[in-house]
Amino acid sequence: GEDVEQSLFLSVREGDSSVINCTYTDSSSTYLYWYKQEPGAGLQLLTYIFSNMDMKQDQRLTVLLNKKDKHLSLRIADTQTGDSAIYFCAGVRGSYIPTFGRGTSLIVHP
Amino acid sequence: GEEVAQTPKHLVRGEGQKAKLYCAPIKGHSYVFWYQQVLKNEFKFLISFQNENVFDETGMPKERFSAKCLPNSPCSLEIQATKLEDSAVYFCASSQLDTENTEAFFGQGTRLTVV
Repeated sequence: GEDVEQSLFLSVREGDSSVINCTYTDSSSTYLYWYKQEPGAGLQLLTYIFSNMDMKQDQRLTVLLNKKDKHLSLRIADTQTGDSAIYFCAGVRGSYIPTFGRGTSLIVHP
Repeated sequence: GEEVAQTPKHLVRGEGQKAKLYCAPIKGHSYVFWYQQVLKNEFKFLISFQNENVFDETGMPKERFSAKCLPNSPCSLEIQATKLEDSAVYFCASSQLDTENTEAFFGQGTRLTVV
């Protein structure tokens, strides 16, 4: 099955770039996803990348995928206080089940 | 509907009581997933359905947890004889899961507190 690992915390200054990293074990995921969870809320899909792509850019978000190293990253440019949340990396294992890492808490301070 | 609707938002049960949670998936989505989030992080997969059929229940505790997705009704997750450790936020997600649409859309969750 899919194991997904993430670092638990990241603290950045407002206006800087944030880079959240994720490693996964199962290379059969067709898509890899980044979700955001704000306090008291559900998961919001931020972006995803198809497994045959290396990079995807979507406004302030850049996703990089290194299939060889099974490493996925999410870069947020010009990080704002509203970006403070928990970010989950997810793959899809076997029977189409989204499998999540433990999430990275992003703290943005002025 | 256009979003996954979970009810109730909050549920408090005494230890040993039954808890029942509901989820209405997005119209047209044939896959439904239930997750349990015990602490702030870590989503534990419980069970998934393809329409009304159980698709994968490898995460489902065998004894006290059950779930259904019946036609023309919201899906449900039921916990018999709740225990303190069942306190968590339970999330439901639905997905279309065809070749072009694989992302899962999540509801806002039901916070279950067992006292």
